[in-house]
Amino acid sequence: DAKTTQPNSMESNEEEPVHLPCNHSTISGTDYIHWYRQLPSQGPEYVIHGLTSNVNNRMASLAIAEDRKSSTLILHRATLRDAAVYYCILCGGNKLVFGAGTILRVKS
Amino acid sequence: SQTIHQWPATLVQPVGSPLSLECTVEGTSNPNLYWYRQAAGRGLQLLFYSVGIGQISSEVPQNLSASRPQDRQFILSSKKLLLSDSGFYLCAWSGRRNVVPRNGYTFGSGTRLTVV
Repeated sequence: DAKTTQPNSMESNEEEPVHLPCNHSTISGTDYIHWYRQLPSQGPEYVIHGLTSNVNNRMASLAIAEDRKSSTLILHRATLRDAAVYYCILCGGNKLVFGAGTILRVKS
Repeated sequence: SQTIHQWPATLVQPVGSPLSLECTVEGTSNPNLYWYRQAAGRGLQLLFYSVGIGQISSEVPQNLSASRPQDRQFILSSKKLLLSDSGFYLCAWSGRRNVVPRNGYTFGSGTRLTVV
C-alpha cells in the first residue's frame, strides 16, 4: 500500500481557512486520494476524494498537485466542530489503510 | 439511502469468552465490507475485508475471524477473547465498480469492546 506523510498536528483559528497537506510521492496512476476525519469516540467520516483534478464538495476542497505527489485538503472556514484527526489515504484497490493522520485543533 | 448498522455500542466481556459483532448495510447491494479496530490512543487497523458472500480477506494474524453469510451482513467473531482484543471496532462499507470502491467509505458508529 502506498504511504502518505502528514504533519502530526496543526492549529487553526476559528473562521479562518485551513490547509492540511499530504505527501504521497509513491502514488501510482490508479491510486485515488481519499480524505477522512475522525472526531473523538466516533468512526471516521468521509470528507472528499479525487484522482487527478481538484475537487469541491460541501465539506471541503481537495487540491491535487500536477504530478500527484502531494495534495491539500482545504477547509474554507474552520469551526470548532472541525477539530478532529484528518487522514489522507491512497486507495488503489479494494481497501483503505489508515495512517496516523493530522490532529487539527481549532481555537476560538 | 444507504445506512450501516453496527451493534452493540459497548460491550464488556471476560477473558476467554466468545465474541460476535454484527454489521448490516441497507439500501445497497454488492458492497465491499470492512472491519477495523482502533486500540486506545492508536490508529485504525484494517482487520478484514470482503468483496462478496463468503469471501474474506484477513489483513493481520490475530485471535479474530470474520464471516459474510449474506450480501449485506458482516460478522466479527472470536472463540476466546484476549485482553489485547479490547478496542473500538468499526464496520464500514463502500460501493464498487468491480472491486474498486466507487465512492467514499461509510463507517458505522462502532462497538467499544472492553475485555476484563
